[in-house]
Amino acid sequence: DAGVTQSPTHLIKTRGQQVTLRCSPKSGHDTVSWYQQALGQGPQFIFQYYEEEERQRGNFPDRFSGHQFPNYSSELNVNALLLGDSALYLCASSSRDSRSFTHNSPLHFGNGTRLTVT
Amino acid sequence: GENVEQHPSTLSVQEGDSAVIKCTYSDSASNYFPWYKQELGKRPQLIIDIRSNVGEKKDQRIAVTLNKTAKHFSLHITETQPEDSAVYFCAARPGFQKLVFGTGTRLLVSP
Repeated sequence: DAGVTQSPTHLIKTRGQQVTLRCSPKSGHDTVSWYQQALGQGPQFIFQYYEEEERQRGNFPDRFSGHQFPNYSSELNVNALLLGDSALYLCASSSRDSRSFTHNSPLHFGNGTRLTVT
Repeated sequence: GENVEQHPSTLSVQEGDSAVIKCTYSDSASNYFPWYKQELGKRPQLIIDIRSNVGEKKDQRIAVTLNKTAKHFSLHITETQPEDSAVYFCAARPGFQKLVFGTGTRLLVSP
């Protein structure tokens, strides 16, 4: 049973460039959330995708955008990269409760993509 | 919005001792409180969680307690082992969508 997989594992970009990170959720999960984890900090919520739509967004600028595909996989795009965007980007998947229509299941994290902006 | 504070930031114990990490949250709507363990260079892994309708939950050497009135919850690890060394994060879920994490506690268990 495959867990959450992310690619690439590491990425180096220069300021102003654009980056795309990819995530495949755990088998059976239909909801994908993205988190940014700066060095020495806890993960910060970026946004969540369910049914191919952004459902909730954290306090991140519009330079951060995403997409979810029909197979539940997801992409995180960051435009006009800044030095401060250097971080570990974590994807987490969960499933929606079909009875209560809530996302009550625990989050399962991928290994993350380490983005370095120079 | 929800704010989660976590203490201490660093905790050093001897093997076999107990370790306690405490978190407070601000949003009374938060209804789910997981704890994650993150080893260096690895993913956060869920070790235990508790929902707001329960006051305590145990899983072998790990337990979590929740005081809804005071808005705080704690992680208790008994009989610590060197492999328990890692960074531990508490989190709260205000509603059903996102987790708000604490700033982490680096636990070091010395043999």
